[in-house]
Amino acid sequence: KAGVTQTPRYLIKTRGQQVTLSCSPISGHRSVSWYQQTPGQGLQFLFEYFSETQRNKGNFPGRFSGRQFSNSRSEMNVSTLELGDSALYLCASSFGQHTGELFFGEGSRLTVL
Amino acid sequence: DQQVKQNSPSLSVQEGRISILNCDYTNSMFDYFLWYKKYPAEGPTFLISISSIKDKNEDGRFTVFLNKSAKHLSLHIVPSQPGDSAVYFCAATDVDTDKLIFGTGTRLQVFP
Repeated sequence: KAGVTQTPRYLIKTRGQQVTLSCSPISGHRSVSWYQQTPGQGLQFLFEYFSETQRNKGNFPGRFSGRQFSNSRSEMNVSTLELGDSALYLCASSFGQHTGELFFGEGSRLTVL
Repeated sequence: DQQVKQNSPSLSVQEGRISILNCDYTNSMFDYFLWYKKYPAEGPTFLISISSIKDKNEDGRFTVFLNKSAKHLSLHIVPSQPGDSAVYFCAATDVDTDKLIFGTGTRLQVFP
């Protein structure tokens, strides 16, 4: 069974640009969550989607957005990039609605110059 | 406002000894607690969990203890092995919002 797949794995952008990250969950999983990992901050919750609906949202500005498609694949978008957006963005999936045990992808490392 | 806190950013333990990783939380609405392990260049992987109705859960070398009155949980690894060297995150599920909140992580190094 294939795991959670995130693309791209690495990317470099400049301030003011926008970026789209993609996540393919484990087959059959309907819930997808996104986290931002930065040194010293741990994993900060961005949002969670279940059956194409955003179920939960973290405390991030509106520049961070996401969506989920009918095949459960998800994308997140960050507009008007800032230096502080440099981080590892992790996607995780689970079968049902969020109960805690998540399966993570390897992440997309974003560097903003 | 960090609701889940791991106050030790790093821990170094000799192989064969016990590793104890600690986690404190502030939200009394947390009802399910988990530990994840993360190796470099990999995503976190689930390790062990405990429900708020229990105070201990054991899985092989890993045991999680929950002290609800102190809002504290800990992960014990006995005996520690070099392959356990990783960053460990504790996490908690808020029964109100159903959000999974992670701590800042503790880097464990097990040396021979």
